[in-house]
Amino acid sequence: AQSVTQPDIHITVSEGASLELRCNYSYGATPYLFWYVQSPGQGLQLLLKYFSGDTLVQGIKGFEAEFKRSQSSFNLRKPSVHWSDAAEYFCAVGADGTSYGKLTFGQGTILTVHP
Amino acid sequence: DAGVIQSPRHEVTEMGQEVTLRCKPISGHDYLFWYRQTMMRGLELLIYFNNNVPIDDSGMPEDRFSAKMPNASFSTLKIQPSEPRDSAVYFCASSLAQGARVYGYTFGSGTRLTVV
Repeated sequence: AQSVTQPDIHITVSEGASLELRCNYSYGATPYLFWYVQSPGQGLQLLLKYFSGDTLVQGIKGFEAEFKRSQSSFNLRKPSVHWSDAAEYFCAVGADGTSYGKLTFGQGTILTVHP
Repeated sequence: DAGVIQSPRHEVTEMGQEVTLRCKPISGHDYLFWYRQTMMRGLELLIYFNNNVPIDDSGMPEDRFSAKMPNASFSTLKIQPSEPRDSAVYFCASSLAQGARVYGYTFGSGTRLTVV
């Protein structure tokens, strides 16, 4: 079965600083990978996704993520953080076979942005 | 499309009462998921449906929980009787899968349930 680990529970950055949120997955074949963001009191919104091809994917709100098969990672990055990026971020992995259709989510990383 | 629609947004009920949460998925999506989110346990998958058929309900915590999907445009999650530990935000999500690819979930805004 696939699994997802987000090693950082809480990250604090200053506005304008760069950001990298870590995500490691466990799955034998090529996974389908996603990043979601959840603002307080809201549902989860899809930021970006990776299926195949170019390992650097662009998403909404200026976010990007890079798939590194050798490291089983799919880290989320943003060059300059805005105060409105403060939220909780979830990495998720999808799979074929018996888990077809089902995503497994990480525990989430809470991002705090200081002015 | 209006997205995934959940109702009610907030529900406060007394312990022992029946609670019904409702979800309308995006038209054309063939998967529907019910999640529960708490501070302690994060996001938990309760049950999911494919083409209105329950596929995996192993996350349903107890017999007090039940879910139905009578048609492609409507699903319910029922808790009977409700208990204070059921207090959480319940999310519904839908997705479209083609071949072996899942094109990501679209989540509803959630129902915040408080059982007193």
